[in-house]
Amino acid sequence: DTAVSQTPKYLVTQMGNDKSIKCEQNLGHDTMYWYKQDSKKFLKIMFSYNNKELIINETVPNRFSPKSPDKAHLNLHINSLELGDSAVYFCASSGGDPAGNTIYFGEGSWLTVV
Amino acid sequence: DQQVKQNSPSLSVQEGRISILNCDYTNSMFDYFLWYKKYPAEGPTFLISISSIKDKNEDGRFTVFLNKSAKHLSLHIVPSQPGDSAVYFCAAQPGANSKLTFGKGITLSVRP
Repeated sequence: DTAVSQTPKYLVTQMGNDKSIKCEQNLGHDTMYWYKQDSKKFLKIMFSYNNKELIINETVPNRFSPKSPDKAHLNLHINSLELGDSAVYFCASSGGDPAGNTIYFGEGSWLTVV
Repeated sequence: DQQVKQNSPSLSVQEGRISILNCDYTNSMFDYFLWYKKYPAEGPTFLISISSIKDKNEDGRFTVFLNKSAKHLSLHIVPSQPGDSAVYFCAAQPGANSKLTFGKGITLSVRP
């Protein structure tokens, strides 16, 4: 029973297309995140939502738009995809432990833009 | 601007020996540190953490040491097992539910 699940796991698409990655967590956490792991293997935060409200928005092109319909879901929509968007995108959540620190990740979505 | 640095890209150890993975940070606002383990084609999995009020936290074969004055932490795995072979990410954050800043990761190989 996957705690943080994201779909699709693999996505190959052409430049200029619009695509979405969905994420759901069943941990009852209040905070959800999107992280991106680029070709240099760095994991960097993109967005964070707490109870459906945006709380962290790093310097990300506005082609990337997160949407949180409820606190268990945080979807990532990407418009006008570019070659440089090719990366692994990880959804994550936190809030279950008393300190609220530990972040749990999904398995990742491998996006390839051709 | 790397605030969390894992300067060694890889480490190879013999099964049964100790693995020591190092991590340095520059941001003095960080007060919580975590280690994540990642297998290929999977997401990072939480391994162990330490708060800045402690200098050591132990969980089974895994121990994390924190030296705040040196802004340095390390993960010790004793004894190392082949199943420990993975990429290990050091991460830090300035508070609960705040942005987690990751190092680049270190690939650990445990030889049978």
